Amino acid sequence: QKEVEQDPGPLSVPEGAIVSLNCTYSNSAFQYFMWYRQYSRKGPELLMYTYSSGNKEDGRFTAQVDKSSKYISLFIRDSQPSDSATYLCAMKGGGGATNKLIFGTGTLLAVQP
Amino acid sequence: DAGITQSPRHKVTETGTPVTLRCHQTENHRYMYWYRQDPGHGLRLIHYSYGVKDTDKGEVSDGYSVSRSKTEDFLLTLESATSSQTSVYFCAISQRDISYEQYFGPGTRLTVT
Repeated sequence: QKEVEQDPGPLSVPEGAIVSLNCTYSNSAFQYFMWYRQYSRKGPELLMYTYSSGNKEDGRFTAQVDKSSKYISLFIRDSQPSDSATYLCAMKGGGGATNKLIFGTGTLLAVQP
Repeated sequence: DAGITQSPRHKVTETGTPVTLRCHQTENHRYMYWYRQDPGHGLRLIHYSYGVKDTDKGEVSDGYSVSRSKTEDFLLTLESATSSQTSVYFCAISQRDISYEQYFGPGTRLTVT
């Protein structure tokens, strides 16, 4: 079993829809939870991060962490064609470079105009 | 991708030949990482560096070596390329030891025939 599981999609939605992207994990030591966005043939870029449980909002994006269920989500409101990309969740344990990021496989999102 | 370049961007090589990929940063970040990205596996850490001449293995280090003689350069060498090393390779950098915030380069697409 992988430490981080992510539905690969693809997920296709109409413009303006609310998008929900999810990851589950098995390692209870994870404390930092990140979402990276990767456009086609580009490197990933950090979109949001959350420490421990709770919600974090940034514009149209909301990240949620439920440590009791080992489940994290990224919600995109009023989705735009420019949101079309692969979304990668990533996690790590406590401080220190030796606690490395563990990435999900990514979910491919297509927002149709 | 600002501040991080990778070279070459594309390479085709034959099985058994040595290959060196270069990552160059202008951000003066202490930590540097090499990942490979494959369908169904997501991003996997190959090696990382926490300072000049300080490196350590990641999750999939077999068949790869690295060197870092200057802060700005991190080299990844495939000693004897195999077809299983056909992949997209990403370099990443981070400023702090809490490495959730990593900045990725544009990637190198390597094909081993």
